[in-house]
Amino acid sequence: DTGVSQNPRHKITKRGQNVTFRCDPISEHNRLYWYRQTLGQGPEFLTYFQNEAQLEKSRLLSDRFSAERPKGSFSTLEIQRTEQGDSAMYLCASSAPGHGNTEAFFGQGTRLTVV
Amino acid sequence: GEDVEQSLFLSVREGDSSVINCTYTDSSSTYLYWYKQEPGAGLQLLTYIFSNMDMKQDQRLTVLLNKKDKHLSLRIADTQTGDSAIYFCAATYGGATNKLIFGTGTLLAVQP
Repeated sequence: DTGVSQNPRHKITKRGQNVTFRCDPISEHNRLYWYRQTLGQGPEFLTYFQNEAQLEKSRLLSDRFSAERPKGSFSTLEIQRTEQGDSAMYLCASSAPGHGNTEAFFGQGTRLTVV
Repeated sequence: GEDVEQSLFLSVREGDSSVINCTYTDSSSTYLYWYKQEPGAGLQLLTYIFSNMDMKQDQRLTVLLNKKDKHLSLRIADTQTGDSAIYFCAATYGGATNKLIFGTGTLLAVQP
């Protein structure tokens, strides 16, 4: 399978715990995005990497959230001291280098439930 | 700021055409997209249109763009039960990031 892979698919955690999600993009894609999708809403942009550089962060990304892409390949998204409001689907997408339209391919997401 | 809106629900009978509508606020959008999301699945790109085009057809899908009214629509001909899903329109606004701004999604229910 050469698509975008996300792990785990589901995560249930207690409020206050830290969680980390992983995204493996399509191998030749240098652009990587994280989005968050809550029930009944469309995905909302969280952050963007070009290679290993984090070039944009949304205001939605509070200081409890941190994302990394250390070698310009896989990426991790960590949430510290989780809150019930963090419960959502976290989607990763990647796209190839280039200008203009470059299709973003999405993973199946990690569904986080904070209890 | 950018905002993309859609109607929440559409119900059609199998074999009929479906038309899903979307409006956006920022006229500087460069590309507009339609994504499909089935239960428990990620987002699948169906089609896209560049902002200087009025129409794009791709098999059963027809995209219409009215830039003056900032209105985008997706027509699905001969709708099948397998088309039942949530459909999202999304826009990009150029720049280095090329991030997607999504609408709230339209749930399409196809009745047999």
